[in-house]
Amino acid sequence: GAGVSQSPSNKVTEKGKDVELRCDPISGHTALYWYRQSLGQGLEFLIYFQGNSAPDKSGLPSDRFSAERTGGSVSTLTIQRTQQEDSAVYLCASSPFGGADGYTFGSGTRLTVV
Amino acid sequence: SQKIEQNSEALNIQEGKTATLTCNYTNYSPAYLQWYRQDPGRGPVFLLLIRENEKEKRKERLKVTFDTTLKQSLFHITASQPADSATYLCALDTTGTASKLTFGTGTRLQVTL
Repeated sequence: GAGVSQSPSNKVTEKGKDVELRCDPISGHTALYWYRQSLGQGLEFLIYFQGNSAPDKSGLPSDRFSAERTGGSVSTLTIQRTQQEDSAVYLCASSPFGGADGYTFGSGTRLTVV
Repeated sequence: SQKIEQNSEALNIQEGKTATLTCNYTNYSPAYLQWYRQDPGRGPVFLLLIRENEKEKRKERLKVTFDTTLKQSLFHITASQPADSATYLCALDTTGTASKLTFGTGTRLQVTL
């Protein structure tokens, strides 16, 4: 597609439920990143994919968070047993290879855990 | 520990003036540094990249400088317009492997008439 597409744009869930967030990167971009941004805070790195592999998942906050990427394209970030502190905007970005030429971000998924 | 610091105070300037935003970092020697713009409710948009061997980079009304001795980058917007009002983020690769960027918390710029 023309840009990075994320869905849903907004998600409200009850504490304890599982959620799945989807990212559709720019076609041909091999690198894909997930960040999250809490209200008034900076971007917090979660995980980096190169193709379908995740060489750096050091930012995942706990084992409730997982992500996968299939076909070198779409990625899904899953949060199990959501907690209120998981409320944030989850941003996905892609780039042709690594970050040296700038990332293209999606508009994010705003997750609210009530 | 590695730190990327941007002025957390909002910068208010008058239309037509030059806005200058600062990004300071510690404990790392990045190969390049990037600047992004973020509008409310949107993801960041890539603006400029400057490499460690470049002192200055320009793009239209934007200018970025990179001083690896001071560990500082300055981001200038000349002839600023109200449409330039946004949050500006600096980002750098703290791994040396170009595998991920670490972002500063951003500086909000408000350009008034």
